[in-house]
Amino acid sequence: ETGVTQSPTHLIKTRGQQVTLRCSSQSGHNTVSWYQQALGQGPQFIFQYYREEENGRGNFPPRFSGLQFPNYSSELNVNALELDDSALYLCASSADRGNLEQFFGPGTRLTVL
Amino acid sequence: QKEVEQDPGPLSVPEGAIVSLNCTYSNSAFQYFMWYRQYSRKGPELLMYTYSSGNKEDGRFTAQVDKSSKYISLFIRDSQPSDSATYLCAMGGNKLVFGAGTILRVKS
Repeated sequence: ETGVTQSPTHLIKTRGQQVTLRCSSQSGHNTVSWYQQALGQGPQFIFQYYREEENGRGNFPPRFSGLQFPNYSSELNVNALELDDSALYLCASSADRGNLEQFFGPGTRLTVL
Repeated sequence: QKEVEQDPGPLSVPEGAIVSLNCTYSNSAFQYFMWYRQYSRKGPELLMYTYSSGNKEDGRFTAQVDKSSKYISLFIRDSQPSDSATYLCAMGGNKLVFGAGTILRVKS
């Protein structure tokens, strides 16, 4: 059984640029959630995708957007990067949208200069 | 006021000690309660998952939920240096809300 994988591991961007982060969910899981974890803080929910549709969103602006593909892998896109977007971005998969037992990937560390 | 409050620590204990980690919450709609362990530069790893008041035990770990007090705890018995990590409580109904995490250091 393959766990959740994310790419890239690290990324450095400048303010105003756009970034795409990728996630492959655990085998058999159809639901993917994205979280932002600032240094010294717990993860904050960005949004969740279930069977290619957005299924809930946290308190993040529209420049944070996502996609889920037929194989249940997912992308997180962030436009017009700001310095405060520097964080660890975590992807978590679960077996179904009603299942809060989520399994996390190692994360992508984004630095915005 | 945050929905979930967790003391950030750091909490430093000698090897073999019993560790108590706690969270309080304000949202009575929360139905599911979890504890995650996060090592430095890694993603969170699910340790315990409960959905009712009471105790749940798994090896050296015991999770306790008191819904009437809106208080949850994680106890670690016979703590080991390998338990040194950040422990995150998480809870929710249709989405997860995390605490800020408690840094635990177990000294050998």
